Parts: sequence; C-alpha cells; structure tokens
Amino acid sequence: TQTVSQSDAHVTVFEGDSVELRCNYSYGGSIYLSWYIQHHGHGLQFLLKYYSGNPVVQGVNGFEAEFSKSDSSFHLRKASVHWSDSAVYFCAVRGRGNNRIFFGDGTQLVVKP
Amino acid sequence: GGIITQTPKFLIGQEGQKLTLKCQQNFNHDTMYWYRQDSGKGLRLIYYSITENDLQKGDLSEGYDASREKKSSFSLTVTSAQKNEMAVFLCASSITGGPYEQYFGPGTRLTVL
Repeated sequence: TQTVSQSDAHVTVFEGDSVELRCNYSYGGSIYLSWYIQHHGHGLQFLLKYYSGNPVVQGVNGFEAEFSKSDSSFHLRKASVHWSDSAVYFCAVRGRGNNRIFFGDGTQLVVKP
Repeated sequence: GGIITQTPKFLIGQEGQKLTLKCQQNFNHDTMYWYRQDSGKGLRLIYYSITENDLQKGDLSEGYDASREKKSSFSLTVTSAQKNEMAVFLCASSITGGPYEQYFGPGTRLTVL
C-alpha cells in the first residue's frame, strides 16, 4: 500500500523567510516523487520531480527538494519566500510502471508581508 | 505547449439528477484522470484511463461513470447527485508510464441544491 504523509496541514511564515514543507512516503518499490502547487481556485501545477541521480532537485521559482531513501522523505524547501508563494502544496509518489499517482493531503502555505 | 479544458466551469444540479462533466486535452497524452477535491482537502481518484475506451476504477468510483470516447477527451458522469454536495472535479492527463508529471485542468465546481 502506498501512502504519502504531509505532516503539516498549515505553515505560516513571513516574506523573506526560508521554509521547508515535509513529505514522507511509504511504497514498496522504485518510485518517482514530485511536488505540485495549487493556487486558490485553480488546478494543480507541477513544481519538480525526482526519479534518479542527484537527490537534490531544483524546480521553478527557487524551490528545491531533497530525496532521502533512508528517511523515506522528499521535503520541499525555499530559501526566501514571496507572498505569491502562498498556496497549497501537494507531495506525490508514483511507482515505476504504475499509472496512478498518490497525493498527500496537502500543506497550506501562508506567506505574510 | 498544451492545455486541458474542462466544461462547464460551474455546474449546479438538483438532488438525484444525472450530471456530466467534460474534459479535453491537446497534449496527445495517452492517460487521463478524474479527481474529486472537497473544500480544503486533498485529491481522491475517481477514474483513470490509459487509452481510448479503457477505464480503470479509482478509490471513489461508486456513484460515478466515466467514458473515454477518444484519446483527447474523458467524460465523467455523476449518476445521482447528492443533496448539499459541493466539490471541485479536476481532470488531468499524463504520458503513460515513466517519470512524467500530470497536467491539470482548472476544475469544474459542482453544487447540488
């Protein structure tokens, strides 16, 4: 059984702060990991993914994520957030050879001015 | 680039009514998905399809039918709308297999009176 756990439902930071959104997964096999962003009233947009090689992957708008096999984690980070980063962030896992993607419940990020 | 179009954008129905939501994509992707998102919640997979005329049930298929008439379109039918139901239905598409991300439409907001 595949599970994706995002331990923080809500995170509030100030503009210019750094932020880390946490994601842990459970999956018995090789996987692809990704993060998506959803602004209010819109569909999800892809941010970044990991499937092999360097465990730190870069995405759009200064986001990066780090894969850890030992911790079964794929945490998302940004060094300096902007108010426009306020959105819901979803972590997702997909098994190799599988067409389904399993999403976490999302983390609501609020960036205060 | 491509786009996913969902129609209608807003759908208001009556209890017991059969309601159909439509999704079109011009990415030429083989796999398409329907998700339900309740307010402030994560995504739940209803149906997906890996090719024309293929249907695979997700975790929330009861109460819904789906149809993949051609590669570019994927329809979802609520077989009997439930009173006071409110949710957003998101359509997505993806290249089949591999480390490929999903592309999402803007959603259809359903309200049942």
